[in-house]
Amino acid sequence: QVQLVESGGGVVQPGRSLKLSCAASGFTFNSFAMHWVRQAPGKGLEWVALISFDGSIRYYVDSVKGRFTISRDTSRNTLDLQMNSLRPEDTAMYFCAKDLFRETTSNYMDVWGKGTTVTVSS
Amino acid sequence: SSELTQDPAVSVALGQTVRITCQGDSLRSYYASWYQQKPGQAPVLVIYDKNRPSGIPDRFSGSSSGSTTSLTITGAQAEDEADYYCNSRDSSGHHVLFGGGTKLTVL
Repeated sequence: QVQLVESGGGVVQPGRSLKLSCAASGFTFNSFAMHWVRQAPGKGLEWVALISFDGSIRYYVDSVKGRFTISRDTSRNTLDLQMNSLRPEDTAMYFCAKDLFRETTSNYMDVWGKGTTVTVSS
Repeated sequence: SSELTQDPAVSVALGQTVRITCQGDSLRSYYASWYQQKPGQAPVLVIYDKNRPSGIPDRFSGSSSGSTTSLTITGAQAEDEADYYCNSRDSSGHHVLFGGGTKLTVL
């Protein structure tokens, strides 16, 4: 079945780095755009970044631009999020999500992982 | 505007109809989708534009008019109690916006 499994979360000090990964299975990974979405404790959903199906387009929310990098590895069917210069306000559950339609980029996310928790604290 | 606005909380009697709304200027240009999230779980797509993904009960429906998009649950069930989020593109088309979420209570 279609599945996304995030990993890589943990506790990290402000200013340090962390890399999240999302393992995809059950669908043609290189045909779909992918997203990272986060949710701070007790708060709502916040879109973080997207990457197009072929990796040629990457967009970021302003608050992470220049600090986070989204990438994909089609050989491993993996989506990554490299997070540098982490701040306390980056503390959240991070979800990866699959775009609904093949070979396009939308705001429709039809499959979500269970998330991985990132805590930025000294 | 680069925001989507939702009422923080809405309640509905069991079996009755409830409409959850989302407002934002970008909705004049881009279609919205709706997500249901229960405590401790990942969000689930329930409506995209006016369509339902497979497996979503037909009591869920979507509509839009101008800068407002709505999720309607006709005959709300106890299991529909959850947080609901709308999303859309922003005015540039490059970013994705989420509304602040609506907590639905089924009485």
